Amino acid sequence: NAGVTQTPKFQVLKTGQSMTLQCAQDMNHNSMYWYRQDPGMGLRLIYYSASEGTTDKGEVPNGYNVSRLNKREFSLRLESAAPSQTSVYFCASSPRAGYGYTFGSGTRLTVV
Amino acid sequence: AQSVAQPEDQVNVAEGNPLTVKCTYSVSGNPYLFWYVQYPNRGLQFLLKYITGDNLVKGSYGFEAEFNKSQTSFHLKKPSALVSDSALYFCAASDGQNFVFGPGTRLSVLP
Repeated sequence: NAGVTQTPKFQVLKTGQSMTLQCAQDMNHNSMYWYRQDPGMGLRLIYYSASEGTTDKGEVPNGYNVSRLNKREFSLRLESAAPSQTSVYFCASSPRAGYGYTFGSGTRLTVV
Repeated sequence: AQSVAQPEDQVNVAEGNPLTVKCTYSVSGNPYLFWYVQYPNRGLQFLLKYITGDNLVKGSYGFEAEFNKSQTSFHLKKPSALVSDSALYFCAASDGQNFVFGPGTRLSVLP
């Protein structure tokens, strides 16, 4: 069982570059989420998609965009990366909003 | 607004001793409660959940948690700690719509 798959696992960007973090789940879950994890800050919600066709901002959406491509896939895009976006990014999915999550293994992003 | 508190940043316990990681919550209505564990350089893994029913919930790796409605707590426990239990533990709560994580507690089990 793959669960939630995130790519890439590691990435180094220069300030101003763009990139897309990919996330796919094979559990037929309705809801998907993007979090960032920073030392001492816990997990902070960037964007979420309660169901296919919908996306909403979380706690820290500035500098990011998302696309719920289909029920399986939820991508996170950084249009112009900044050093403040250096973080570990986690994608998660759940059967429905507010229910238990399954997490991907994370993407460690460094912006220099 | 919902919130989850984990009052201890760090918990140290000797191997073989019982461990407790504390969690309190504030959720309107009946809460759904969860514990997750994060090992170094890994994603969060589900440990256990309380949705309804018996207040004592048993989960993975010998962990259990007790739901206490009057104290709005959901403490994680294990009778005998292992060095391999050393990790970051997150409590989470949901009202069925919104999901909130606590800040995490780092557990160190000393040999």
